[in-house]
Amino acid sequence: LAKTTQPISMDSYEGQEVNITCSHNNIATNDYITWYQQFPSQGPRFIIQGYKTKVTNEVASLFIPADRKSSTLSLPRVSLSDTAVYYCLVGEWDDKIIFGKGTRLHILP
Amino acid sequence: EAGVAQSPRYKIIEKRQSVAFWCNPISGHATLYWYQQILGQGPKLLIQFQNNGVVDDSQLPKDRFSAERLKGVDSTLKIQPAKLEDSAVYLCASSLGRTASPYEQYFGPGTRLTVT
Repeated sequence: LAKTTQPISMDSYEGQEVNITCSHNNIATNDYITWYQQFPSQGPRFIIQGYKTKVTNEVASLFIPADRKSSTLSLPRVSLSDTAVYYCLVGEWDDKIIFGKGTRLHILP
Repeated sequence: EAGVAQSPRYKIIEKRQSVAFWCNPISGHATLYWYQQILGQGPKLLIQFQNNGVVDDSQLPKDRFSAERLKGVDSTLKIQPAKLEDSAVYLCASSLGRTASPYEQYFGPGTRLTVT
């Protein structure tokens, strides 16, 4: 399983775009990159998954450079309700998923 | 679509007592997971079921924890006897199974266990 490194915490302001970068230098050919979001007192919620280039959905965008050694989760125009912990996970289709400590994103008014 | 249901939401017990948690996954989801999340950490997988068979229980403390998934639907996780370090949130999650990405899991709200 590829090891991931992401910032422990980040602060941003309402209305701004937030980018959270995850490093995964030893990502394998068959690995996918997945991000989860966890609000206080709730279970994690799957938000986006990608393999290469860019993926966009109604919640976020995921940018993956050609070498795939990192990825960036982009949250457009954040609001106070985006305050949460964001987890980056990397692994193959059949891998056991392992959560790290994630990035605590705090949105300020 | 109904989400993953868990009960109880909160439980306080004394050490050496026993406790059980219940999970009802999303209808049609073949794979069910139990996680333990200690405050400030990410969830840790305890056990994974595919239908009613165990796929992975390598991180389940089998001397005190047990889990079952009868008929491949609901599941229960039991701790007996509980220790102080078992204080955590216990999360249940489900996914479609081997035909879909296991990384796309749907989590329940969790059960917050406090052992005193």
